[in-house]
Amino acid sequence: SAVISQKPSRDICQRGTSLTIQCQVDSQVTMMFWYRQQPGQSLTLIATANQGSEATYESGFVIDKFPISRPNLTFSTLTVSNMSPEDSSIYLCSVEGFGTGTDTQYFGPGTRLTVL
Amino acid sequence: KQEVTQIPAALSVPEGENLVLNCSFTDSAIYNLQWFRQDPGKGLTSLLLIQSSQREQTSGRLNASLDKSSGRSTLYIAASQPGDSATYLCAVRRGTTDSWGKLQFGAGTQVVVTP
Repeated sequence: SAVISQKPSRDICQRGTSLTIQCQVDSQVTMMFWYRQQPGQSLTLIATANQGSEATYESGFVIDKFPISRPNLTFSTLTVSNMSPEDSSIYLCSVEGFGTGTDTQYFGPGTRLTVL
Repeated sequence: KQEVTQIPAALSVPEGENLVLNCSFTDSAIYNLQWFRQDPGKGLTSLLLIQSSQREQTSGRLNASLDKSSGRSTLYIAASQPGDSATYLCAVRRGTTDSWGKLQFGAGTQVVVTP
């Protein structure tokens, strides 16, 4: 399996500011994804982070609000822009496709964001 | 549109009892189904992955079955322990090229195993 780290692990931010979350994997992976887990709810896919090109966003999520970068096969960032209290969630990155090409998807520890 | 449902939403059992967690999905055209465990405030830990062509997967005390035609998967945890207390999530992966890797999650079953 892959070892995935996220920074920061948690943060408390003011309304109107932006936060960039980093996801680092210890090996090259084919696919990287960003999910959101709102309080008391399950996970919702935000976007697929594409290496060297623009991310692919799911319905209801837009690039201006959640810009994503993926400069190489081991690293990605998600920015939550112009935050409001509704953005308070756990943000998780996940990866797939490394080593022997397993279909199993692995998740990072998450970033717990609170917006005041 | 695929919908994933997990029943029950919460479950409390005494230590030693077997756990049965259910997951149902509306569209049988799935690529695979994955079971995860989430501890409070933590990320997800992958437990088992079942390919669409498989009927079950086993790992230690865990056994997951898949009946694609009826849109159901069941996770069995034998001889539960307090350390099994967590939220269990199932996620299905669609079988289409444009949805490669995208998981759709159920709401989860919160399990408490009492000593």
